[in-house]
Amino acid sequence: GAVVSQHPSWVICKSGTSVKIECRSLDFQATTMFWYRQFPKQSLMLMATSNEGSKATYEQGVEKDKFLINHASLTLSTLTVTSAHPEDSSFYICSARSIEAGAGDEQYFGPGTRLTVT
Amino acid sequence: SQQGEEDPQALSIQEGENATMNCSYKTSINNLQWYRQNSGRGLVHLILIRSNEREKHSGRLRVTLDTSKKSSSLLITASRAADTASYFCATVRNSGNTPLVFGKGTRLSVIA
Repeated sequence: GAVVSQHPSWVICKSGTSVKIECRSLDFQATTMFWYRQFPKQSLMLMATSNEGSKATYEQGVEKDKFLINHASLTLSTLTVTSAHPEDSSFYICSARSIEAGAGDEQYFGPGTRLTVT
Repeated sequence: SQQGEEDPQALSIQEGENATMNCSYKTSINNLQWYRQNSGRGLVHLILIRSNEREKHSGRLRVTLDTSKKSSSLLITASRAADTASYFCATVRNSGNTPLVFGKGTRLSVIA
């Protein structure tokens, strides 16, 4: 099956610093990837839609200048949390859907990145 | 934004019993999917049911979809301790590159 990886799997950073999270589709190409955030014991909240070669589309209430998304290729999207604060501590999950014909509607999820801001 | 609600929010059953979780959503959909998530881990795709389907089976899983009521149910039969996890329904409004929108989830505990 299609595999999506995320790196790092967990990261601890100090308040005020920036953290970059990578999302890669390993065996398929994706023009669109999605970034979600999940706080403890809560559901996944869509943050933004990452489009290859163009600007990301952010959900209402998500600051685009704080959560920078770059979709540099058909297999890589990055999320940079700038000037991180403790309230940004969360589980960040990306997903992607294959562009190949016949791939169907399934979205493939990465294993998530746990960010802790101290 | 979240599409809808799951109920119950938490469910505790004995091993061997059946577990039923319900999901409601608000808008028209192309398909509805169920996922499982173990604590602190990634998502596992369980099953996808399209808007023109009413019921689907996969192993011990049975999913129903009622588009007139905008609701779905997930039944896990003969539950096992390993089924302990959070279960989420997620909907897709249109085919193509539209995101999954998740419900709030049901935390299932199966007691051995």
